[in-house]
Amino acid sequence: AQSVTQPDIHITVSEGASLELRCNYSYGATPYLFWYVQSPGQGLQLLLKYFSGDTLVQGIKGFEAEFKRSQSSFNLRKPSVHWSDAAEYFCAVGHAGNMLTFGGGTRLMVKP
Amino acid sequence: EADIYQTPRYLVIGTGKKITLECSQTMGHDKMYWYQQDPGMELHLIHYSYGVNSTEKGDLSSESTVSRIRTEHFPLTLESARPSHTSQYLCASSEPMNTEAFFGQGTRLTVV
Repeated sequence: AQSVTQPDIHITVSEGASLELRCNYSYGATPYLFWYVQSPGQGLQLLLKYFSGDTLVQGIKGFEAEFKRSQSSFNLRKPSVHWSDAAEYFCAVGHAGNMLTFGGGTRLMVKP
Repeated sequence: EADIYQTPRYLVIGTGKKITLECSQTMGHDKMYWYQQDPGMELHLIHYSYGVNSTEKGDLSSESTVSRIRTEHFPLTLESARPSHTSQYLCASSEPMNTEAFFGQGTRLTVV
């Protein structure tokens, strides 16, 4: 069975600092990997996705993520965080025709 | 641009009332999903559908029911609302072989 772990429930960073949100997955084959962001009271918006090819993927809002097969990880990064990045971030895993499995989420807080 | 809509956005209703949460998408997606999410918590899949006349229960047991009479419409019904049903309900859709899910903005339900 596929599963996703986001080890950090809460993370606080200062505005302008770099950010890395961790995501580890368990899946029998190379999965499709996703990062979604959720602002308070809103639905989920796709930040980026990995299906195959280049293991470093670029997303919207200046985010990127790197797929590391040896570590079963898909960590999300941003070089300089903005106050508007404060939100809940969800990592998800799936494969063609299968449903997504979501991690528990990481709440990002940004200090001025 | 994803086009998936949920109504109402917010609903406060008394115990014992019957409610229907609406979800519609204009992308022609066959697969649709309902997730339940408590504030700041992970998403739990409660129902999904692979197409018209197809409905399945998800990982989390729910007293709600769903129907799929038209491709674009996937309503969720609670026959008798209880305070334990208070939560946010998120609807999503995806193409058959593409796991990427597109989310509505959610319905925040409060049962008093």
